[in-house]
Amino acid sequence: EPEVTQTPSHQVTQMGQEVILRCVPISNHLYFYWYRQILGQKVEFLVSFYNNEISEKSEIFDDQFSVERPDGSNFTLKIRSTKLEDSAMYFCASSEAGFYSPLHFGNGTRLTVT
Amino acid sequence: RKEVEQDPGPFNVPEGATVAFNCTYSNSASQSFFWYRQDCRKEPKLLMSVYSSGNEDGRFTAQLNRASQYISLLIRDSKLSDSATYLCVVTTSGTYKYIFGTGTRLKVLA
Repeated sequence: EPEVTQTPSHQVTQMGQEVILRCVPISNHLYFYWYRQILGQKVEFLVSFYNNEISEKSEIFDDQFSVERPDGSNFTLKIRSTKLEDSAMYFCASSEAGFYSPLHFGNGTRLTVT
Repeated sequence: RKEVEQDPGPFNVPEGATVAFNCTYSNSASQSFFWYRQDCRKEPKLLMSVYSSGNEDGRFTAQLNRASQYISLLIRDSKLSDSATYLCVVTTSGTYKYIFGTGTRLKVLA
């Protein structure tokens, strides 16, 4: 069964450093998403992406965050200057076609900011 | 009012029991509904989509009540392996995001 893959599985970084989280969505999916989950809290929407542009972003997704689809397979989330409160599990997801089809998640990247 | 609300639980049930969870949503324009399960520190995994007429997949039954704006999940003959957090997920017309509830924690006890 095709799956979403994320790398790395765990990233430790110092406050103020830039990080790039990488994702390879399912190949025939058209919609891509980033979510995050702080330990013990709910899964929170960050951004959705379709046709090489952001469809919607949350209040969390401020100027420190950016997304990119640099080639036909990768989808990346960049955090320019990490803060302690960015420590969370970051999940990439994709869906086949719009909002009637379910999300498929990657295994996540655990980001620890020290 | 929260967009998607769930009772956080935990629901502690014996093996073999039937357990039901509800999830309410605030926006009447909500259009698609899903149940996911999440194991500790793992990614959410799709359990089932929820259709207007209700749907069943083995021991799991999902229902949608648009008039009262809630969806439900019924688990029959609970197994130890059903222990997890169950997440209600909703999409709404005019937005481009899937909104998650806080989840309901289920513990199935031997």
